[in-house]
Amino acid sequence: DGGITQSPKYLFRKEGQNVTLSCEQNLNHDAMYWYRQDPGQGLRLIYYSQIVNDFQKGDIAEGYSVSREKKESFPLTVTSAQKNPTAFYLCASTGQVATNEKLFFGSGTQLSVL
Amino acid sequence: SQQGEEDPQALSIQEGENATMNCSYKTSINNLQWYRQNSGRGLVHLILIRSNEREKHSGRLRVTLDTSKKSSSLLITASRAADTASYFCAFTGNQFYFGTGTSLTVIP
Repeated sequence: DGGITQSPKYLFRKEGQNVTLSCEQNLNHDAMYWYRQDPGQGLRLIYYSQIVNDFQKGDIAEGYSVSREKKESFPLTVTSAQKNPTAFYLCASTGQVATNEKLFFGSGTQLSVL
Repeated sequence: SQQGEEDPQALSIQEGENATMNCSYKTSINNLQWYRQNSGRGLVHLILIRSNEREKHSGRLRVTLDTSKKSSSLLITASRAADTASYFCAFTGNQFYFGTGTSLTVIP
């Protein structure tokens, strides 16, 4: 069954701690995205990657880091520099670099601060 | 920010009624897409309309696009309780940009 898998579903971060959110896809998609969603709001782009070993900052990249060592995987690290990390994080992918196709989304990770 | 605006922010209707939500954007686009999100879940693609199209239908969904006004609308006809969700427009230039969303409640 093809799709995008995000884990964990819930994650708690302590003060000063870095945490990593996992995103894996078996759709053979080139482009992958990370979005942040705050309650009652739309999605804001954190980082995106159009090809392995390359990624670009989105609108709100400060305090986050990513890697794209494999086509299937695009993990997001929320660093201690992100002072307000509590949010719902969504990973997505699309088959073409150009934005002419739909996005496929994972089921999300809810990150909270302890 | 290139985030789009949607209105209304929230909409509550009776089952069987039609629901209309609107999206406005500021940039030139390749296409405009609508997505649905159930509470605490990821988004699911509903329909895509290209910049050279004016109207598109898919089942109970009807989407219109007016590029001169930089706006789009999504109409859900004969709504059902299962349509209760948040709906987001996404417009695409060099990236995907999302609207602020409309929360739809369909009362049985």
